[in-house]
Amino acid sequence: AQSVTQLDSQVPVFEEAPVELRCNYSSSVSVYLFWYVQYPNQGLQLLLKYLSGSTLVKGINGFEAEFNKSQTSFHLRKPSVHISDTAEYFCATEPNNAGNMLTFGGGTRLMVKP
Amino acid sequence: DSGVTQTPKHLITATGQRVTLRCSPRSGDLSVYWYQQSLDQGLQFLIHYYNGEERAKGNILERFSAQQFPDLHSELNLSSLELGDSALYFCASSVDRVDTQYFGPGTRLTVL
Repeated sequence: AQSVTQLDSQVPVFEEAPVELRCNYSSSVSVYLFWYVQYPNQGLQLLLKYLSGSTLVKGINGFEAEFNKSQTSFHLRKPSVHISDTAEYFCATEPNNAGNMLTFGGGTRLMVKP
Repeated sequence: DSGVTQTPKHLITATGQRVTLRCSPRSGDLSVYWYQQSLDQGLQFLIHYYNGEERAKGNILERFSAQQFPDLHSELNLSSLELGDSALYFCASSVDRVDTQYFGPGTRLTVL
């Protein structure tokens, strides 16, 4: 069984400030890791994914995430946020031995203020 | 635009009714996944079809069923609807069982 915990339900931040959205997971098997973004009234869009290899993963819109196996974390970071980054962000896992279902965290609402 | 289409965009119905949600995957994608997003349960995986065959089931109620047709589009059937079934229903597709999933815009179901 897998579970994903996003430790912050809301993160307010000022424009051009750095941000980190935290994600921890637990799983009995090795997993792939994903971050998705959901803008208001839209579907989910893939930001980045970790399958294997380098633990630092770069995604779209200037986001990056670091896989830490010992801490079972996959935190999302951006050095300077824009107003347009205001959205809901979801961390997700997928077992790498089956490739079937994504297990999502509860989501973090990033609110960028001017 | 992910290339995944879902119809209808909005659906309002009454308790006890039955509805069908439709999903057309991206061209060439063989896998279709259904997810439910609600305020109390968050985003939950419902079911996965690959090339017409059911591959995995998640937290899908017995009142719900799905199928994938030979042209690879999929339908999610929800019956005996309850107030608690009100949610956003997302469809996602991928090339195969291990590829990145691309999400459609969702169908918002409101049960009154």
